[in-house]
Formats: sequence, structure tokens, C-alpha cells
Amino acid sequence: QAVVTQEPSLTVSPGGTVTLTCGSSTGAVASGHYPHWFQQKPGQAPRTLIYDTNNKHSWTPARFSGSLLGGKAALTLSGAQPEDEAEYYCLLSYGGSGVFGGGTKLTVL
Amino acid sequence: QVQLQESGPGLVKPSETLSLTCAVSGYSVNSLSFWVWIRQPPGKGLEWIGRISHSGVTYYNPSLTSRVAISMDTSKNQISLRLSSVTAADTAVYYCARRGAGIYWGQGTLVTVSS
Repeated sequence: QAVVTQEPSLTVSPGGTVTLTCGSSTGAVASGHYPHWFQQKPGQAPRTLIYDTNNKHSWTPARFSGSLLGGKAALTLSGAQPEDEAEYYCLLSYGGSGVFGGGTKLTVL
Repeated sequence: QVQLQESGPGLVKPSETLSLTCAVSGYSVNSLSFWVWIRQPPGKGLEWIGRISHSGVTYYNPSLTSRVAISMDTSKNQISLRLSSVTAADTAVYYCARRGAGIYWGQGTLVTVSS
């Protein structure tokens, strides 16, 4: 089974920009992996921010964007807010199966 | 608006079978979608368990495939998860989700495996 890798932790200043990445042990991440990004705050269920690389839900703040960058899926947060402090998970699809990354704990400080 | 509600026993004994249901409202389970089960052990990350398509085709996590079964009941408009021979390592919050244009999550239900 493929292994999906994320940065364990990142820190961003309020108002700053940060990019989280999601890599695959099988090689470059492509649109065919249908990358998803989820945000989870303590005690809450995850919520989807980005699906299929760069698509946003109606509830996704405009400051979040998804892309493919350097062979990885990327989630960029531009203009970080204190409420963005959370755990972020990516999900990649491999045929019919899915594999989550280990998560990135994002601190806004 | 699609709503997903997981339910089932909160406590299961080791070696027994964990059975959960996901009641779907606002959308028909046999309409174009995938229905996914995901779990999260306390304090740990997310794990993809498996999925079933609207037509009943299933895919499972290779590490769980010998113990897991996902099914669909169109008459009740619900999705079910069965996980056999459970151990303490199966203690987790279990989520069901709909994969359409994006992934829509239920609130999850905690299942503890303990004697």
C-alpha cells in the first residue's frame, strides 16, 4: 500500500502564508490521485476544504487554495487567521482505494 | 442537504464483530456517489477503511480486507460497516462519508473495544 507523507508540523504568523504538502511513495502526485484536503479541530469531525486538487466547497474560506506543486499536492493558506490553527490531512486515491497522510499540525503564532 | 448519521454499539468485546450503520437523509444511497468509512483512533490520524459505490462495488483497505465488509440497504437508505475479530487497536471514532463533488462527513461515533 502506498504511503502518503505530510509535514508533521508547521508554524505560520498571523496574516502570513504557508504551504502544506502531500507526497506519495509511488511517485509524483497527479490529478488522477484526486487530492483532498481536510481540516480538523480538536473534538470535531474533519471537514473538507479542497477536493480534486483545487476545488473548494461553499464553506471553504477564500484564503485556502489547492494545487500540484513539485510532484506533490499542496494546500496554501494565504493570510492565516488564528482560527486556522488545526490539524490538516490530505487524502490520495489509488484506483478504488484511498490513503490518508499522517496529518500536519498547523500553529498560527 | 445530505446528512449522515452513524450509529451502533459504543462498546464491543475483543474477538467480536463491530457493526455500524450510517443513516443517510437528503440523498438516495443508490444515486451516483461513493460511500466511505473512515476511522480515527484516539489521538491519532485518519485511516481509510473502504468504500462502496452506488452500484454496490466495494474497495477495502488492504490491511483490513480480511475482516471488513461494507454493504448498502437501499430500502432503509443506509450504509453498513462490519469489522470482525476486533481488538483494542480497532478502538476509534468511525465516520461515514459521501464522496460526490467533494467529501461530506458524518459526525462520527466512538467505538471502544474492551472486555
